[in-house]
Amino acid sequence: KQEVTQIPAALSVPEGENLVLNCSFTDSAIYNLQWFRQDPGKGLTSLLLIQSSQREQTSGRLNASLDKSSGRSTLYIAASQPGDSATYLCAVRRETSGSRLTFGEGTQLTVNP
Amino acid sequence: GAGVSQSPSNKVTEKGKDVELRCDPISGHTALYWYRQSLGQGLEFLIYFQGNSAPDKSGLPSDRFSAERTGGSVSTLTIQRTQQEDSAVYLCASRTGQYNYGYTFGSGTRLTVV
Repeated sequence: KQEVTQIPAALSVPEGENLVLNCSFTDSAIYNLQWFRQDPGKGLTSLLLIQSSQREQTSGRLNASLDKSSGRSTLYIAASQPGDSATYLCAVRRETSGSRLTFGEGTQLTVNP
Repeated sequence: GAGVSQSPSNKVTEKGKDVELRCDPISGHTALYWYRQSLGQGLEFLIYFQGNSAPDKSGLPSDRFSAERTGGSVSTLTIQRTQQEDSAVYLCASRTGQYNYGYTFGSGTRLTVV
């Protein structure tokens, strides 16, 4: 059974700091990994999608890496801003057993002005 | 439409009543999913529709939960005889049929059973 863990559970940083969010998964037989952002009381917004054959994806100040063999992904946020405050979720999609996503518990990020 | 649309955005119902939650996926997306997010917990898979194939219902928590997808587009999640533990945010997502594409989620329906 796939398990996804995110560390830390919560993170508070001052504005402007670079930060790294971690995601690990137990079954390396994944098809892809997706990072989402969730604002309080809202749905999920997709940030980055990394295919299993890729090592990283970048979008603006965000960079996500994937090490499939070791079951790890990181989300790097450069020059953090108060507007980045949200819960960040990583989710993996397995190669088999349908195409459901398995989510981590999320990292709650607060960027202080 | 441009995104995944869910309605209602909020629903308060009395224990024992039935509720219907609606999801309108992105046009042309053949795959549709329902997830549930309970307070302080992660997202829990409920059900998955792919084209005309039989749905994967393996995540439905009890036989009080059912879902259908009409015409390969709009989906309705029905909860019968609601219980307080059904209170959660119900999220719908859709995806194209191609495996290398990601998911697009709706804003969810917050269900409160009183």
